[in-house]
Amino acid sequence: DAGVTQSPTHLIKTRGQQVTLRCSPISGHKSVSWYQQVLGQGPQFIFQYYEKEERGRGNFPDRFSARQFPNYSSELNVNALLLGDSALYLCASSLDRGDEQFFGPGTRLTVL
Amino acid sequence: DAKTTQPTSMDCAEGRAANLPCNHSTISGNEYVYWYRQIHSQGPQYIIHGLKNNETNEMASLIITEDRKSSTLILPHATLRDTAVYYCIVRPTYSGAGSYQLTFGKGTKLSVIP
Repeated sequence: DAGVTQSPTHLIKTRGQQVTLRCSPISGHKSVSWYQQVLGQGPQFIFQYYEKEERGRGNFPDRFSARQFPNYSSELNVNALLLGDSALYLCASSLDRGDEQFFGPGTRLTVL
Repeated sequence: DAKTTQPTSMDCAEGRAANLPCNHSTISGNEYVYWYRQIHSQGPQYIIHGLKNNETNEMASLIITEDRKSSTLILPHATLRDTAVYYCIVRPTYSGAGSYQLTFGKGTKLSVIP
């Protein structure tokens, strides 16, 4: 069975630009969570979506937004990129909100 | 902030059991203990979780002390592919209509030595 897939794998942007990252959950999973991992740190929670509704948000500015589609895939958008947004962005899916989360390989974003 | 304390790094000889400790002295009765690992530059991989009882699956065993203030993840026969950062995470069993985020600390870097 296919795991969580994310696209693109790598991305380079410049300061001030906007970026959209995509995630496809494991088939049958209805919840998607997003995490940011900067170098040397553990992943930090950004959002959790369930049944197309935002169920939780971490300590991130409003420049970060996300949505979940009827097929349960999800997009993470980041506006007005800063150098500090350079990180590995991870998507995780779970059957339900409280079930085990399974992570994708991540999207490596570099902001120059 | 993470509610767990783990050693920064550990070494284990290949073929031996790797025992990774985690302290979660402030855990409440309605919180799970989860373990994930992350091999370099990959997404975290779910290993196991438990509430009160010891748990075992095909990857590992989880031993939770009776007072639930600490736990140990055991990899019975470590291989070179088990070299990774291991994260111990405490997470509520129920959060109503809210989210079930995982709060990662810095984890333990396990190096399996040939």
